[in-house]
Amino acid sequence: QVQLQESGPGLVKPSETLSLTCTVSGGSISSQYWSWIRQPPGKGLEWIGYSYYSGSTNYNPYLKSRVTISVDTSKNQFSLKLTSVTAADTAVYYCARGGHSPYDWWGQGTQVTVSS
Amino acid sequence: DIQMTQSPSSLSASVGDRVTITCRASQSIGDYLNWYQHKPGKAPRLLIFAASSLQGGAPSRFSGSGSGTEFTLTISSLQPEDFATYFCQQSYSTPITFGPGTKVDLK
Repeated sequence: QVQLQESGPGLVKPSETLSLTCTVSGGSISSQYWSWIRQPPGKGLEWIGYSYYSGSTNYNPYLKSRVTISVDTSKNQFSLKLTSVTAADTAVYYCARGGHSPYDWWGQGTQVTVSS
Repeated sequence: DIQMTQSPSSLSASVGDRVTITCRASQSIGDYLNWYQHKPGKAPRLLIFAASSLQGGAPSRFSGSGSGTEFTLTISSLQPEDFATYFCQQSYSTPITFGPGTKVDLK
């Protein structure tokens, strides 16, 4: 079965860039859409955006100016970069397989805290 | 944006109970509605896609129904491993949006 695992710093300073990687195992990253979703403390899930393996992307308009999602097929990984972070970006970040579709595989999530 | 709401926000039930959770969309989304189960510290699990289709590997006690703006997830006979949070997701249009979740705990 497909497994996804998020990795990256758990603490990011305000105004800096949050960078996370999702490693896909048990299946190819090719010919699929890959997404990032987050859940701030005490709040619901928020869709960040997705990328097709070939590079076309679709982002949440509320985050679009700060988000980049990219896919590295050679490493079977995809990544999230979120610039100019504030405390409001503190959340559990999930990666998932799927785009404009059901998300059939998810990572277990990684906590990212924005604090100086 | 399409707003998703769920009711109830939480419920207490016993093993063997029939449980129904409702999800509503702020506008018609056809059958572009998916249901997930989420346990703390675990990856969310897709249960139902396209409103009523059972995802491979999901137990048959889970079923979904509805179309347009109102949807339900039913657990026919609650099992101990079903105590979790359930949330819905619309994949009709971007931004993709999720319901706030329904926590099912032990009575």
